[in-house]
Amino acid sequence: GAVVSQHPSWVICKSGTSVKIECRSLDFQATTMFWYRQFPKQSLMLMATSNEGSKATYEQGVEKDKFLINHASLTLSTLTVTSAHPEDSSFYICSAALTGNGQAFFGQGTRLTVV
Amino acid sequence: GQQLNQSPQSMFIQEGEDVSMNCTSSSIFNTWLWYKQDPGEGPVLLIALYKAGELTSNGRLTAQFGITRKDSFLNISASIPSDVGIYFCAGENTNAGKSTFGDGTTLTVKP
Repeated sequence: GAVVSQHPSWVICKSGTSVKIECRSLDFQATTMFWYRQFPKQSLMLMATSNEGSKATYEQGVEKDKFLINHASLTLSTLTVTSAHPEDSSFYICSAALTGNGQAFFGQGTRLTVV
Repeated sequence: GQQLNQSPQSMFIQEGEDVSMNCTSSSIFNTWLWYKQDPGEGPVLLIALYKAGELTSNGRLTAQFGITRKDSFLNISASIPSDVGIYFCAGENTNAGKSTFGDGTTLTVKP
């Protein structure tokens, strides 16, 4: 149980285009999901908290107009990187937690390369 | 914000050896978590700790939640080649899954 799936696993896009990444909880409902970004050889840095049915909460320094988050159902959150630039190239990882115990389960990550 | 200092940054060991890594924080966490990340994959939860002083095992892995709530260690006994990867500690306060991650310990196991 507690499987989180991300799609796509990797994507290459042209500079200036937008890319959507999906995060699904396959066997449980998640009112809250989290989006992290990980640069090579670095740790995971929380970008935002995705709340079902309401606006996402962004961490300091993360542009909400650039990283659009939608959490339309209890099993799906999407992250859209708008007007992507090469510096947005990174590994994006989502997680969802089982309610009440803080254990978060992570997706397999999405490798974004902007050329 | 809260920061976690994880050490060592990297370890090179021989198969069969035991491994120890630790994490310290300047502030208190209610939950400590240890994850393993393989290249190109998301982190996988190894052990979750909820009470100060708690010692928990998962196979060859043992982790403890420090009494002060500001530190934790992870031990791996009798390492094997598949233990290779990056190990992250993470602290949590909300019980909702929002975690602060350490910088990771890269483990290399020589056969």
